[in-house]
Amino acid sequence: NAGVTQTPKFQVLKTGQSMTLQCAQDMNHNSMYWYRQDPGMGLRLIYYSASEGTTDKGEVPNGYNVSRLNKREFSLRLESAAPSQTSVYFCASSEGLAGPYNEQFFGPGTRLTVL
Amino acid sequence: GDSVTQMEGPVTLSEEAFLTINCTYTATGYPSLFWYVQYPGEGLQLLLKATKADDKGSNKGFEATYRKETTSFHLEKGSVQVSDSAVYFCALSDPNSGGYQKVTFGTGTKLQVIP
Repeated sequence: NAGVTQTPKFQVLKTGQSMTLQCAQDMNHNSMYWYRQDPGMGLRLIYYSASEGTTDKGEVPNGYNVSRLNKREFSLRLESAAPSQTSVYFCASSEGLAGPYNEQFFGPGTRLTVL
Repeated sequence: GDSVTQMEGPVTLSEEAFLTINCTYTATGYPSLFWYVQYPGEGLQLLLKATKADDKGSNKGFEATYRKETTSFHLEKGSVQVSDSAVYFCALSDPNSGGYQKVTFGTGTKLQVIP
């Protein structure tokens, strides 16, 4: 049981390049989330998927797109990277919408630098 | 909107010292409260939680009590170990998020325990 896995662990991009961050979970969770973590700002929600087949914007969605490929996988795409997107990106999952008590399980993160 | 304020770090303690990390929150309704821990190079993992007023969450020697009257959820441990060195995040989950588990995180407090 690997939990939540993310690839790659590190990435350096030039401004304007594109890339996709991959996330997969093996806990049969319904909901998945993408966060970014910046110094002094905690974690901010980029996009979430409440269930397979649905995606919605979070707090900071500009410059990103997502795809819920199936129940296990939720990818985050940067179409044209900007230096402001330099951050650590975390994927998380939880059982679903059965109230606010569900624990979120986090992946190890992707450290992205945009030059 | 919802917000979480926690003490700035870093906090440096000697092994076996007493730990308190303060956390206060602002929320409408009755949120659930969480402490997550992030060890170096890893994702966040749930440390403890409390879902209603006066609940005490506890795990691995850490405790926190949901104080509605002071809107606080301070993290305590009686005797810290070097292995407790990590970043600690206070968070709340909004029960009125209208369809997904909206979690608001504090900015994190780095704890360093020296032998």
